[in-house]
Amino acid sequence: DQQVKQNSPSLSVQEGRISILNCDYTNSMFDYFLWYKKYPAEGPTFLISISSIKDKNEDGRFTVFLNKSAKHLSLHIVPSQPGDSAVYFCAASGTGGFKTIFGAGTRLFVKA
Amino acid sequence: DSGVTQTPKHLITATGQRVTLRCSPRSGDLSVYWYQQSLDQGLQFLIQYYNGEERAKGNILERFSAQQFPDLHSELNLSSLELGDSALYFCASSAIQGSNEKLFFGSGTQLSVL
Repeated sequence: DQQVKQNSPSLSVQEGRISILNCDYTNSMFDYFLWYKKYPAEGPTFLISISSIKDKNEDGRFTVFLNKSAKHLSLHIVPSQPGDSAVYFCAASGTGGFKTIFGAGTRLFVKA
Repeated sequence: DSGVTQTPKHLITATGQRVTLRCSPRSGDLSVYWYQQSLDQGLQFLIQYYNGEERAKGNILERFSAQQFPDLHSELNLSSLELGDSALYFCASSAIQGSNEKLFFGSGTQLSVL
């Protein structure tokens, strides 16, 4: 049962353009969402998060949007840089639960 | 550097064998999580410990077990290994036991079962 889905295994974007990574979830009890970034041979690292009481959170070039009614969130990277090439994991958790559920990841390629 | 240490980085073993993966959380973190990442799969939650006690269980096989010791380091024991157990195993830690907390991951242990 995949409660967090990232339906695009990979995405290729030109340097300087916008990268949009999407994530869908099924459990309405999730109230906190996170994005992690993973380079080869390294563990995932936290990138940005959003609480369900918000619909947008911005941190520099990274913005996460949350649409609760659609159970959908997206990560926007503007402008994209070659160093952003990595695997991005969407994750969700819920109050009262003690585990974070991850999606399968989207591999982003930013071409110079 | 996340501050989470996992050893060994690589482990090659044979089917039927038993291995132990070790994790030292960030200084001060009481929660430890174990995740499994198989080829082209996401991070599958296995188990969580908080201050020595098991707090949550995910898709962990009965052949697998874990514990967290008084010094807060954790070990994941995998026994009767099968080819399908080959994967990258990550340990993560966080300061508290609740959800809505970002996790700090180690660099993983790559397990190859031949």
